[in-house]
Amino acid sequence: AQSVTQLDSQVPVFEEAPVELRCNYSSSVSVYLFWYVQYPNQGLQLLLKYLSGSTLVESINGFEAEFNKSQTSFHLRKPSVHISDTAEYFCAVSPSGGSYIPTFGRGTSLIVHP
Amino acid sequence: DSGVTQTPKHLITATGQRVTLRCSPRSGDLSVYWYQQSLDQGLQFLIHYYNGEERAKGNILERFSAQQFPDLHSELNLSSLELGDSALYFCASSSRLPGSVDTQYFGPGTRLTVL
Repeated sequence: AQSVTQLDSQVPVFEEAPVELRCNYSSSVSVYLFWYVQYPNQGLQLLLKYLSGSTLVESINGFEAEFNKSQTSFHLRKPSVHISDTAEYFCAVSPSGGSYIPTFGRGTSLIVHP
Repeated sequence: DSGVTQTPKHLITATGQRVTLRCSPRSGDLSVYWYQQSLDQGLQFLIHYYNGEERAKGNILERFSAQQFPDLHSELNLSSLELGDSALYFCASSSRLPGSVDTQYFGPGTRLTVL
């Protein structure tokens, strides 16, 4: 079984400041890792994913996450946030290989202030 | 707009009742996934169908069932409803085979309120 812990339920930050959203996971098997974003009144959108290879993965809108196997972490970072980044962010894991069966964290609400 | 449609948008019903939520995947997508998002449980994966066949099950209660039809739309049936079933139910679709991790496209969700 897998579990995901998102350490911060809410992260307030000013526009153009850097941000880090933390995610730690626990699993007895190898995993794939994901970050999803949920804007108000919308479904989830995949932000980025780690399947294999380079431990640093990037999204098209400036976010990046680094897989750290020794610390079982997959923190999400952005060097400079915009007001439009205000949303709920979910970290998820799924066993690698076989069926996609994700386990989600409780989410982190990123609030970007002007 | 993700291309995934869900109906109805809102549903209010009473305990003990049965409801059906409907999902139409993006054109060409063969996989449909169902998720539940509630304040108590957070976001949970329920079930995955690929081309009409069940491929993976998550935390889906026995009172809940799903199916995917030949035209690839899917329905999630919730019966003997309890107050705790109140939640947002999302459907997502993707085009790839089970076992490959493809981008899922989420619908806008159905908000179920059980009174």
